[in-house]
Amino acid sequence: EAAVTQSPRNKVTVTGGNVTLSCRQTNSHNYMYWYRQDTGHGLRLIHYSYGAGNLQIGDVPDGYKATRTTQEDFFLLLELASPSQTSLYFCASSDGTGGYQNTLYFGAGTRLSVL
Amino acid sequence: AQSVTQPDARVTVSEGASLQLRCKYSYFGTPYLFWYVQYPRQGLQLLLKYYPGDPVVQGVNGFEAEFSKSNSSFHLRKASVHWSDWAVYFCAVSMTGGYKVVFGSGTRLLVSP
Repeated sequence: EAAVTQSPRNKVTVTGGNVTLSCRQTNSHNYMYWYRQDTGHGLRLIHYSYGAGNLQIGDVPDGYKATRTTQEDFFLLLELASPSQTSLYFCASSDGTGGYQNTLYFGAGTRLSVL
Repeated sequence: AQSVTQPDARVTVSEGASLQLRCKYSYFGTPYLFWYVQYPRQGLQLLLKYYPGDPVVQGVNGFEAEFSKSNSSFHLRKASVHWSDWAVYFCAVSMTGGYKVVFGSGTRLLVSP
């Protein structure tokens, strides 16, 4: 069973603040993803990575940076947080070998509030 | 552009009744489709996935989905809903070599006694 752990589970910051969301997966998966979930929009892809040092741009990347430091760890950075970034953030991983059949394994989510 | 549409934001079903959650996709090429479920205060988990072959796919907990190319649909069904099925259900399509997955907006299933 894939294990994806996100921290913190909840975070409150102020407008203009600096936030780092962390994600660790322990199944040696190649691919890792950051999504945000908002009512009416479902999940939207922010960034993803296929290995340490790699970063791919997703569909809603503005205002976000990401860094994949190791195969296990993927970080999402908000350097000047804005209220529009208040959301539920999910990290996911997949092994990437199934092609189109890849299954995503999700963490429990981080709820971020920007005041 | 490729997309997934779930037209029903919320569906209420009586316990023991049958269920259908709708999903329409727009994709040029062979679609690889998924249903994920999100239980309260949890992340998403895979319910079932489709790849070309038998149009009816069986999933966990009695769920199944039927693919229709002519209708561009991948509807989720269950014969008898249980209270534990109370959750949000997401339809998704895999693209770009399988490494990018696009999700619909989700359908919240409420189960009444």
